[in-house]
Amino acid sequence: GQQVMQIPQYQHVQEGEDFTTYCNSSTTLSNIQWYKQRPGGHPVFLIQLVKSGEVKKQKRLTFQFGEAKKNSSLHITATQTTDVGTYFCAGRWGSARQLTFGSGTQLTVLP
Amino acid sequence: DAGVIQSPRHEVTEMGQEVTLRCKPISGHDYLFWYRQTMMRGLELLIYFNNNVPIDDSGMPEDRFSAKMPNASFSTLKIQPSEPRDSAVYFCASSLHGRGYNEQFFGPGTRLTVL
Repeated sequence: GQQVMQIPQYQHVQEGEDFTTYCNSSTTLSNIQWYKQRPGGHPVFLIQLVKSGEVKKQKRLTFQFGEAKKNSSLHITATQTTDVGTYFCAGRWGSARQLTFGSGTQLTVLP
Repeated sequence: DAGVIQSPRHEVTEMGQEVTLRCKPISGHDYLFWYRQTMMRGLELLIYFNNNVPIDDSGMPEDRFSAKMPNASFSTLKIQPSEPRDSAVYFCASSLHGRGYNEQFFGPGTRLTVL
């Protein structure tokens, strides 16, 4: 089946440093969503990207969708301890209603 | 709205026992998804329903797993008989498809331990 590859698997940063996680699909996505899961919690929706080359910002978070709609990234500027958690991308192909989740990037922020 | 409700939150059972997980989606949502999360396999889609009808159950690992949605406000995932490798966190999520993001709203999950 179709997969979304996500890297890195783990990332440890010092508070105040930047963080980026990347997702890649071998085929063109119709859209991609990003979720955050806090330790012991459940995934919570952050954003959806639909258009080729789309860039969206939420405060310190910047989301990008590649021109070919095959890759996406999430960048956090000046991380804070509240950013701790696992960040998942989740892709859709064609008219599918279901999401395929990447393996997630677990972010640890050291104070 | 209370969000997606799942019960029980924790379940410990012995191998061979039947396990039933329950989910109440957000009122008005037309899609319901069951996921399993493990360290090894990540977040896997097991099955999803549209307007109470199962659409895709290709993610159900084997015949020991079954899911039902008898009405718009209730769904169950049953494992019979359970095995230790079924130990995982099981999430239910619901969404409303139409205009907008079609994002999925996840419940708090059921942590299942099979001894």
